[in-house]
Amino acid sequence: DGGITQSPKYLFRKEGQNVTLSCEQNLNHDAMYWYRQDPGQGLRLIYYSQIVNDFQKGDIAEGYSVSREKKESFPLTVTSAQKNPTAFYLCASTNTGPYGYTFGSGTRLTVV
Amino acid sequence: QKEVEQNSGPLSVPEGAIASLNCTYSDRGSQSFFWYRQYSGKSPELIMFIYSNGDKEDGRFTAQLNKASQYVSLLIRDSQPSDSATYLCAVIQAAGNKLTFGGGTRVLVKP
Repeated sequence: DGGITQSPKYLFRKEGQNVTLSCEQNLNHDAMYWYRQDPGQGLRLIYYSQIVNDFQKGDIAEGYSVSREKKESFPLTVTSAQKNPTAFYLCASTNTGPYGYTFGSGTRLTVV
Repeated sequence: QKEVEQNSGPLSVPEGAIASLNCTYSDRGSQSFFWYRQYSGKSPELIMFIYSNGDKEDGRFTAQLNKASQYVSLLIRDSQPSDSATYLCAVIQAAGNKLTFGGGTRVLVKP
């Protein structure tokens, strides 16, 4: 079945550590997105990529980095520069065109 | 001013009643409008999308769009306890394919 796979489902990070969240899709979608969701809040855009080897900053990119070396994959690295990384992270993809997004199941990141 | 605004709720609705959710947006060039439902701890799932002014119905759900007033709404008829969730309004603005989300409205359907 086609879909988006995010891993891990839960992730714990120590202070000062970089961690990478995985996002893989087999939907042949061109565009991929990373969102952050804090408790009781909506989704805020971190980074997005419309095509391979190209990506743009979203509204809250500071402290995060991404790569898009393959169409299927869009990993997100949460760096030590991100001071408050505890949140629910959602990856999404879409074909070019306004048809809404397909979301992954999310990664819940907690700083310990 | 936030780009997409929703009342955070909670909106408490008796079972069988109509739940009415509202959303306003600031970018007059916005083209496409979406309603997502999100259960606690889960990812959002698409309920409806609407592009043209007027009403669009799908089962118990009706989306209403008024571009002149920059307003989109969602009606849930015959509300069920399983409809208890957070409903996210999202907009694709004039430039690009980025979805901008509102903060969500939490709906509680009481038996």
